[in-house]
Amino acid sequence: SQQGEEDPQALSIQEGENATMNCSYKTSINNLQWYRQNSGRGLVHLILIRSNEREKHSGRLRVTLDTSKKSSSLLITASRAADTASYFCATAPSMDSNYQLIWGAGTKLIIKP
Amino acid sequence: EPEVTQTPSHQVTQMGQEVILRCVPISNHLYFYWYRQILGQKVEFLVSFYNNEISEKSEIFDDQFSVERPDGSNFTLKIRSTKLEDSAMYFCASSVRIQELFFGSGTQLSVL
Repeated sequence: SQQGEEDPQALSIQEGENATMNCSYKTSINNLQWYRQNSGRGLVHLILIRSNEREKHSGRLRVTLDTSKKSSSLLITASRAADTASYFCATAPSMDSNYQLIWGAGTKLIIKP
Repeated sequence: EPEVTQTPSHQVTQMGQEVILRCVPISNHLYFYWYRQILGQKVEFLVSFYNNEISEKSEIFDDQFSVERPDGSNFTLKIRSTKLEDSAMYFCASSVRIQELFFGSGTQLSVL
């Protein structure tokens, strides 16, 4: 089954505003990760939150995880034009010897100057 | 800062031809992966590699695909006979721990 579904699919905000993206998933996880991808470029790891954590911060990023709702949110505060990118959540299922990450379709974030 | 490097950045090939995509993982990493992303679609897992063998592979990773770590630094993905539907961005990744990945910038493969 598919998991790691982000919403919204696209988000356009003014520079300086906060951007919130959500991710839902279906199965039990070891951790959930957020990645950024600039157009046509590679995937940059932003933050990892483990299943026993509820909130994590890294600079202007804040990630929350609600395992009871199987959902996570990524908040980018005081957005900048350089934050324009696609953001993906990826889940690490909690099965033995499971090496793969399962990805969502991503949220395309546009920051207007 | 150490990074995963991939070459080439773009590869154009004819259908039926063999291609080899190359990756140099971060030097102290133990786990190696290939993922791909067809334009406009989700990132998909292909294969993971640990201790000189495949640890897991997806349904996409059929007999046309193979991976190799020919020396202590390179990690390659070979597609034996490319199909049109193999056109995608291929990402190599490596990690110290399972599931905490560092990705390369990708190879855009175009099969004509």
